[in-house]
Formats: sequence, C-alpha cells, structure tokens
Amino acid sequence: GESVGLHLPTLSVQEGDNSIINCAYSNSASDYFIWYKQESGKGPQFIIDIRSNMDKRQGQRVTVLLNKTVKHLSLQIAATQPGDSAVYFCAEADSWGKLQFGAGTQVVVTP
Amino acid sequence: DVKVTQSSRYLVKRTGEKVFLECVQDMDHENMFWYRQDPGLGLRLIYFSYDVKMKEKGDIPEGYSVSREKKERFSLILESASTNQTSMYLCASSSGATKGSPLHFGNGTRLTVT
Repeated sequence: GESVGLHLPTLSVQEGDNSIINCAYSNSASDYFIWYKQESGKGPQFIIDIRSNMDKRQGQRVTVLLNKTVKHLSLQIAATQPGDSAVYFCAEADSWGKLQFGAGTQVVVTP
Repeated sequence: DVKVTQSSRYLVKRTGEKVFLECVQDMDHENMFWYRQDPGLGLRLIYFSYDVKMKEKGDIPEGYSVSREKKERFSLILESASTNQTSMYLCASSSGATKGSPLHFGNGTRLTVT
C-alpha cells in the first residue's frame, strides 16, 4: 500500500544550527504535502504546506523542499531554537484529499 | 485563528462503557476528522465528515461511530469501550475543498480504558 514515512525517528540539533527533517512518500499521485509540529501535550500545529507544482516553499525560518523524482520531502528549520523541540510530522493528501501521516520525528534541541 | 476545542483533556472509562468524545470548531469549516495517535504509529484516521449528517469511514473505524448533527460539532462514540481503545484522540477541521486544505487540530483527549 501507499505510505508516508520518516527516515529518522530522533534528531538532535545544537541550538543555532539548522535542522533538516526528511520524509519519503510512495504515492506518486499525491499532490499536496504538509508539515506539522506537535509539542508535548498539544495537538499538531500546521507549519507549512507545498503543492506538487512547486519544489520549494519558504516560511518564517522554515523551508520545505519537494523532490518528486525521488518522492522526497524535507523540512529545514533555520537557526534552531529550544522552542523548536517537538515531534514533526509530514503528511500527504491522497486522491480523496484525506491526509496520511508519517510516524513523526522527534527533534531535540541541545544548548 | 481557528479554534478546535475538545471537551475533555483526560478521560478514564471502564471496559464496556459507552464513551462520547466531543469536538467543536468555530471557523465554519465543512470538514471534520477524528484521529487516534499511538506511539510509533502516528496519526490514524477513524472517521471524517464533509458536511452535516454526512460521515465516512477512515482507516480504522471498527469499534467507533460518529455523529455530526451541527456543522460546528463532531462527536466520536465508542459503543463499548475496550482496553485497546486507550489512546490519544485528536479532532481536526478544515475548510472548503476536500483536497489541499490544512487540518487544524484540537489539543486532544487522552482516553484510558480500564
């Protein structure tokens, strides 16, 4: 079946460094992707999205890259801060528009 | 900002009880969703609704039902709670088209079934 997955379950990053979180997807028909951040005790929070007609999109301190050739999605966080410590999920929209989520990557920011 | 409110943060119920989880959104969104979140399994879709009185099964609907009598409210029902339904339940809503709209989540209800 189709799946969305993350390469690394835990990412440790030093404060001030850039973070890169990776995600692989297998449904070539997916045309909408989202990154979410989930802090402890809270629901997932929308960070940024991208459609398949784009290969890059930037937000505030975040950039999402989409490589359709290898079915790969990444989230880059610039100048990582302690408040960026959280679990990050990628998700893709299937043909019905329902989101399929990966298992998540825990980002730990160290001083 | 979109606000999705789940009525309870924590619930403890006994096996066999009927359980209601309530969710309300304040942005007039057409679409509402119920997910459960378990360690290592990510978010799995239980049920969703694209309009009042409409419901569609998600990936894991067994043991659950839903009700959407009003646009702003989407209820998840566990007809007879079982211990394997102990989980974090997340409600979400989104606007407009069925495809390409980000979901806005509530803060979750952590249900324990003993």
